[in-house]
Amino acid sequence: AQSVTQLDSHVSVSEGTPVLLRCNYSSSYSPSLFWYVQHPNKGLQLLLKYTSAATLVKGINGFEAEFKKSETSFHLTKPSAHMSDAAEYFCVVTINSAGAGSYQLTFGKGTKLSVIP
Amino acid sequence: SAVISQKPSRDICQRGTSLTIQCQVDSQVTMMFWYRQQPGQSLTLIATANQGSEATYESGFVIDKFPISRPNLTFSTLTVSNMSPEDSSIYLCSVEREGVSYNEQFFGPGTRLTVL
Repeated sequence: AQSVTQLDSHVSVSEGTPVLLRCNYSSSYSPSLFWYVQHPNKGLQLLLKYTSAATLVKGINGFEAEFKKSETSFHLTKPSAHMSDAAEYFCVVTINSAGAGSYQLTFGKGTKLSVIP
Repeated sequence: SAVISQKPSRDICQRGTSLTIQCQVDSQVTMMFWYRQQPGQSLTLIATANQGSEATYESGFVIDKFPISRPNLTFSTLTVSNMSPEDSSIYLCSVEREGVSYNEQFFGPGTRLTVL
């Protein structure tokens, strides 16, 4: 079984300040982890992914996330928030295998990021 | 990557009616998925649709309520039957592409359904 917990339902930051969106996961197998972003009235877009390679993963738009197995965490960060970053962010876990069950995406409840000018 | 389109993009429907949502992919894929995103909520998998076989439904979802077709490798439909206001959600289809070390899912833009 696998699950993911996004610790904050809403995060508000000022433009130009750092962003931290927290995610903890639980998985019986070696997990793959993803962050997706959903802008208002837009589809889901993949920000970045971890698939058992480097633990520090860099994504699009200056976002990065670090996989910490000891803490079962995969927090999303960005050094400086931009107004265009305001959106809903979803942490997602799946089994790290191209075989059985790899399509079983489990979504967190989402974190809404607000950026204050 | 994969380019996925959905029709309609949004609709407002009356209670008791049915709506069929179409999902078209720009290339052949084996697995397609249908998700529901209720207002203010996360995504929940409804079912997995493989071409040539019956869809596999997740707990809490049944074929009579959400019949799915998968006639070929680039197309699928999801029908929301006998709708009630509780069915008001965004419905998304997604496809899986095999990668070197993982399978990535790509999502369509979603269909925003409002049931009155």
